[in-house]
Amino acid sequence: DVKVTQSSRYLVKRTGEKVFLECVQDMDHENMFWYRQDPGLGLRLIYFSYDVKMKEKGDIPEGYSVSREKKERFSLILESASTNQTSMYLCASSLLAGVTGELFFGEGSRLTVL
Amino acid sequence: AQKITQTQPGMFVQEKEAVTLDCTYDTSDPSYGLFWYKQPSSGEMIFLIYQGSYDQQNATEGRYSLNFQKARKSANLVISASQLGDSAMYFCAMREGAGGNQFYFGTGTSLTVIP
Repeated sequence: DVKVTQSSRYLVKRTGEKVFLECVQDMDHENMFWYRQDPGLGLRLIYFSYDVKMKEKGDIPEGYSVSREKKERFSLILESASTNQTSMYLCASSLLAGVTGELFFGEGSRLTVL
Repeated sequence: AQKITQTQPGMFVQEKEAVTLDCTYDTSDPSYGLFWYKQPSSGEMIFLIYQGSYDQQNATEGRYSLNFQKARKSANLVISASQLGDSAMYFCAMREGAGGNQFYFGTGTSLTVIP
């Protein structure tokens, strides 16, 4: 069964802490994505990566960074967490090119910043 | 401009009835794909159905069908014979051929199935 696995379902952090959200996929997909989901706003793209060590900014990259050292792993980093980063974070992966390949999602990580 | 628009924040449907969830899209790329996802309260995004821009027929997957009207740029999801387990958020998404790495999502529709 193909899978995208996110390291933590629920996290509670304090303002100013560094936060790591990890995502691993076992489908040998080139593309990996980090989305943020907030009520009424849908899914907003933070960063995506189409290859190892490659990254592209999405719609809301401010306050976030990413790392992709291995093809199967894509990490989202909050250097100094703030309360407005309290949200649901979704990792996803897909094949590189073409319009037919759907996104496969992890179960999501719900982050609360106090 | 929004790439994907879902104008129904919330919908209610009686169990066993059919329901249509609206989605319009905006692209100038002749090659694109349209997707629908379901997100139950557990949070996981579940892929439901796909329609390609060059597909001649509307996509169907079990009780799900996609009413694809290319000229109107709409891709509505039809769920037939609604079940209580269909209560969830539903998201429409698009992937363009030219910039094929990005997926664009709508804001979602919350569907509640009433027994």
